[in-house]
Order: sequence, then C-alpha cells, then structure tokens
Amino acid sequence: AQKVTQAQTEISVVEKEDVTLDCVYETRDTTYYLFWYKQPPSGELVFLIRRNSFDEQNEISGRYSWNFQKSTSSFNFTITASQVVDSAVYFCALMPNTDKLIFGTGTRLQVFP
Amino acid sequence: DAGVTQSPTHLIKTRGQQVTLRCSPKSGHDTVSWYQQALGQGPQFIFQYYEEEERQRGNFPDRFSGHQFPNYSSELNVNALLLGDSALYLCASSRDNPYEQYFGPGTRLTVT
Repeated sequence: AQKVTQAQTEISVVEKEDVTLDCVYETRDTTYYLFWYKQPPSGELVFLIRRNSFDEQNEISGRYSWNFQKSTSSFNFTITASQVVDSAVYFCALMPNTDKLIFGTGTRLQVFP
Repeated sequence: DAGVTQSPTHLIKTRGQQVTLRCSPKSGHDTVSWYQQALGQGPQFIFQYYEEEERQRGNFPDRFSGHQFPNYSSELNVNALLLGDSALYLCASSRDNPYEQYFGPGTRLTVT
C-alpha cells in the first residue's frame, strides 16, 4: 500500500513558538519523492520542499526545516519562531515510482498573536 | 510567464447535471494532472493527460472523464453529478520531471 499519514489534524500555537508537523509514509518502492505543500485559505497549493528517497540530509530554509528518516518512514516539518502568516493547512505528499502525488489528510496550523 | 490557470473559479450545479472544468498549463508544460480535494481532506489523484492521451487514472468512476487539446490545455468533465462531487478541483502541470508539478488555484464546485 502507498499511503501518507498526518496524525495531527489541527495544531494551535502562539506566535514565536516552534512547531513540528509529523508525516509518516508507506511505500514499497525504493525510488520515491516526498513533498510538503502549504494551502492558505485561498486554496492554492504552495510548494515548500521536495526530497528524493536517496537524500536523507536534513534541510533548513529560513525558519523552515525538514527531517527525513527512512528508518522510521518519516518526513517531519518544523517551523521555528512561528508567525501568524504561517497559519494554513500543510500537506505532506508522496510520489512513488509513478507520476501521481499521494497526499496526507493535512494538518491545520493556527498561529495566534 | 503565466502559471497554471483554471476556470471557472467557482461553480454551482444541481445533482444530475454535467460540468466541465478547464485548465491551462504553465507555459512549456505538456502534462496535466487533475486532483479532487473534498472539504477537510487531502487532494486525490483523478487522472493525468500527456500527448492528448489519458496516461494514468486514480480510483474515480467513469463519470469522470477528461480531454487534452493539442495546445496541452485540458478539460475535466463530470457527468451525473452527485452531492459528493462537491470539492475543490485542482489542476497541476509538468514537463519531463513529474516531481515538478505546478498547481493552479483550483475550481470550487458545489453540487446542490
């Protein structure tokens, strides 16, 4: 089975707190890609990061960082010093050895001032 | 350079009717994928078009059909609409690299 699980349905934090969004995936393919997207209320999916299965290096981009661990099939996303503008629904997605994206159910992040 | 565009933005239809949604891919892209996102859910893959052919399909009934034109734009058709077809329909385009998909703003379909 190919599947993405985002167990956290909704997270609320106060501005400047750090927050981690969890993502666990399932696939039998050895070559695959993992993604994170942000979906603000407007609905458009905003691409954040892509990782291939052979690159387990963690990545940092400004306040965003990603931790990819094949041993636990996880690809977690951390926002440091959260801001109100980070409020959105975040989706983790898997692209196995096909061209289609398999999305999780999303985590709604609310950042309060 | 225009990104992926979709029309219309919003649409309200009645059960049993038919609907057509349109997508223009990003300039230079030749592959179009369609996704359905029900309220509170993640997007689900409907199908993908390349060279005017349906290349792969997700678990959607035959009521969902599509078309790709020579200019790479695409249409999604849904027949015999059900209340459960109410969703945001997203189009994504790519070229050569399927892992570089660009999404459009979506069409929100409401079936009453």
